[in-house]
Amino acid sequence: EGQLVQSGGGLVQPGGSLRLSCAASGFTFGGYWMNWVRQAPGKGLEWVANIKWDGSEIYYLDSVRGRFTISRDNAKNSLYLQMNSLRGEDTAMYFCMTTAGYWGQGTLVTVSS
Amino acid sequence: QAVVTQEPSLTVSPGGTVTLTCGSSTGAVTSGLYPYWFQQKPGQAPRTLIYDTSNKHSWTPARFSGSLVGGKAALTLSGAQPEDEAVYYCLLSHSGDVVFGGGTKLTVL
Repeated sequence: EGQLVQSGGGLVQPGGSLRLSCAASGFTFGGYWMNWVRQAPGKGLEWVANIKWDGSEIYYLDSVRGRFTISRDNAKNSLYLQMNSLRGEDTAMYFCMTTAGYWGQGTLVTVSS
Repeated sequence: QAVVTQEPSLTVSPGGTVTLTCGSSTGAVTSGLYPYWFQQKPGQAPRTLIYDTSNKHSWTPARFSGSLVGGKAALTLSGAQPEDEAVYYCLLSHSGDVVFGGGTKLTVL
């Protein structure tokens, strides 16, 4: 069965940067779209960005476009989210998710001084 | 960006049947919006139940089914179990604009 294991995240000051990683196993990573989804404390799910299986198409939530960069390395079965110019409203649990149906365990990003 | 609407809360009796719906501000929901349904329990990551309107994963209980009804995507639970109490989210893809609904809190009581 497939699995996504996340790493990265933590506490960062406003304006700072973080990089999230998501390592896939147990399924053909390079055959599926990958997504980043976030959930602010006590709130619903919010889609952040996605990337096509070959990296040829990328889409972002309007509020993160220009600050966040999604990327993938199919040779390493890994997905990344580079987050720059972080704001308080970016504070959330971040999940990676694949259209193959699997979700990462989530990693908390807290933006605070 | 499109707005995706779901019932904020629903209640179903154990063994009963309930239908959750997912609408779009852009018009009727069609299979071309690739509706997904997710289940999330407190303190857990979401779990994918349904993809592309009505397809199930190997782990999706048979009592869950997806469809299109009256211009909306629908998730029907037939024979509700106490463990089905959770928040259910739908997701629609509008040409690269991917949007979650606000979620439906389902109570089994």
